Amino acid sequence: EVQLVETGGGLVRPGSSLKLSCATSGFTFSNTWMNWVRQAPGKGLEWVALIKDKYSNYEANYAESVKGRFTISRDDSKSRVYLQMNTLRDQDTATYYCTTADYWGQGVMVTVSS
Amino acid sequence: DIQMTQSPSFLSASVGDRVTINCKASQNINRYLNWYQQKLGEAPKLLIYNANSLQTGIPSRFSGSGSGTDFTLTISSLQPEDVATYFCLQHNSWPWTFGGGTKLELK
Repeated sequence: EVQLVETGGGLVRPGSSLKLSCATSGFTFSNTWMNWVRQAPGKGLEWVALIKDKYSNYEANYAESVKGRFTISRDDSKSRVYLQMNTLRDQDTATYYCTTADYWGQGVMVTVSS
Repeated sequence: DIQMTQSPSFLSASVGDRVTINCKASQNINRYLNWYQQKLGEAPKLLIYNANSLQTGIPSRFSGSGSGTDFTLTISSLQPEDVATYFCLQHNSWPWTFGGGTKLELK
């Protein structure tokens, strides 16, 4: 059974940092491109970041809204993907999902508020 | 970025009804479109990939069609367990973009 479990969310102040983690199982993680997608309260889905596999040199892509502030990374030995979020803004408040596109986690809430 | 316009935003239908949900892309995305179902409090579930391919384990009452810019998700006979929000995703080019979602309820 494929599982993706996100952790690391919480309430933080604007300007602070947070690191999300996604633990995966049930598929060949090392061959899979991994994404983070977010959904602000009452809003639609927004793709945030992608990290490709080792065969694509772990190339990363970012949405313009997070470029320069967020960093996606992966640890193939642990089947985990991460999202380091720096200089957080109010508008980063959302549920963050880890996804392969075929499979999604249940999401983790990040609230940025003073 | 490619804009995905999904319609309708809300849909109320009866058990047994044929239901259609549409997504229109702002430019040609070939067949690189997925459909997802999300029930309250659950992770999104892939229903259809590449416009018309049924994901393993998904009931055959779900089908997808279209190519280029216009796509349709059809539920041939609505069941109570189909109450959910449905959304489309284009994965033809970065950044991936999503439709705004369709909330489906029972009449």
